[in-house]
Amino acid sequence: SQTIHQWPATLVQPVGSPLSLECTVEGTSNPNLYWYRQAAGRGLQLLFYSVGIGQISSEVPQNLSASRPQDRQFILSSKKLLLSDSGFYLCAWRSDHTGGEKLFFGSGTQLSVL
Amino acid sequence: GQNIDQPTEMTATEGAIVQINCTYQTSGFNGLFWYQQHAGEAPTFLSYNVLDGLEEKGRFSSFLSRSKGYSYLLLKELQMKDSASYLCAVTASGGSYIPTFGRGTSLIVHP
Repeated sequence: SQTIHQWPATLVQPVGSPLSLECTVEGTSNPNLYWYRQAAGRGLQLLFYSVGIGQISSEVPQNLSASRPQDRQFILSSKKLLLSDSGFYLCAWRSDHTGGEKLFFGSGTQLSVL
Repeated sequence: GQNIDQPTEMTATEGAIVQINCTYQTSGFNGLFWYQQHAGEAPTFLSYNVLDGLEEKGRFSSFLSRSKGYSYLLLKELQMKDSASYLCAVTASGGSYIPTFGRGTSLIVHP
């Protein structure tokens, strides 16, 4: 069966510090991978998605970046965090890039930038 | 772009029935998902509607009207554990079929 791992679960970082969140998927190959952010009182905002190794699409221009160095690994990074980067970050995967496939989410990372 | 609207918060009594509405405006609508999210946890899949009508799954049912851009999630025999946020998400060709989420409806079930 497929599983998705996301870490760390919680993170407190000072403004201006770097960030690296990692997500890995097991039990499937060539998954479509997604990073969403959920700010307090707001919906899930799509940040990045990837349909294959090295292929990253950005939905929101900001100081975050994403990389997919391996088929089942998706990394969210920042060189310098801002206060506005605080939020609940969710990695997700699905088997296909068509509309009918549901997303499977990781357990999330609660990021607080102070 | 896509616009998805759902109520911010609803309250209901244990054992009762509650209906959570979702309206959307999108280009090239494909389907609509409902997810449940408990505080601090990841969303979990509840239902998927692509055709008009009602889909029933135990205590939960979801309805879709494509012509009206409208869906609802119906929760019956409410339990305390149903207190959670309920997210409506739409996929469309206009959005590359990537699920776009509404802000979620926080449901509070009280005794």
